Amino acid sequence: QPVLTQPPSASASLGASVTLACSLNSGYSNYQVDWFQQRPGKGPRFLMRVGAGGLVGSKGDGIPDRFSVWGSGLNRNLIIKNIQEEDESDYHCATDHDSGSNFVWVFGGGTKLTVL
Amino acid sequence: EVQLVESGGGLVQPGGSLRLSCAVSGFSFITYEMNWVRQTPGKGLEWVSYIVGTGDKIYYADSVRGRFTISRDNAKNSLYLQMKSLRAEDTAIYYCARVGASDALDMWGQGTMVTVAS
Repeated sequence: QPVLTQPPSASASLGASVTLACSLNSGYSNYQVDWFQQRPGKGPRFLMRVGAGGLVGSKGDGIPDRFSVWGSGLNRNLIIKNIQEEDESDYHCATDHDSGSNFVWVFGGGTKLTVL
Repeated sequence: EVQLVESGGGLVQPGGSLRLSCAVSGFSFITYEMNWVRQTPGKGLEWVSYIVGTGDKIYYADSVRGRFTISRDNAKNSLYLQMKSLRAEDTAIYYCARVGASDALDMWGQGTMVTVAS
């Protein structure tokens, strides 16, 4: 089944840009990945879906234009421009896998973004 | 406004049982697939279980299969997770999450905490 790899932490200065990485394991280059933001003490919030060609479908409700995605090969990255204080959160990527006889959602380990 | 509100969490001894509920509002519950996802404090997210709108297709993570049972009552707009033979490693915040039109987990609740300890 697919495995998603995320760095445990990232940091960026107020107003700067940051790319949060999410990588699929070999053999799953056609998989789409969903990105979620999780603020402290809150449930995850759907941001958007990314495939090998970039954004798939629409962003989640109320997601600012500052948030975008980029996809290529096994990489499914989230890009945040003009970082604001409220962007300090945990960011998770996830994908679903249907083997025919079973179904699973797989999550990456999450990246904690610190705004400096 | 779409809302998902979990309840039923608490402290339970190893080997014990607990039933979680997720009350939803603001959308046609029966038309949506639903999931339970958990999160160990300070750690990542782990998918637990999935159920289709009619309830006749269900999947479980290997870690809970045989111990947990997902169900739904569409008349009551509610999703449930019956948990038995609980272990310390089941300690987590449990979230219910909706599968949206794009097949993404597009709406989540605020979670309910389950602690398995003696």
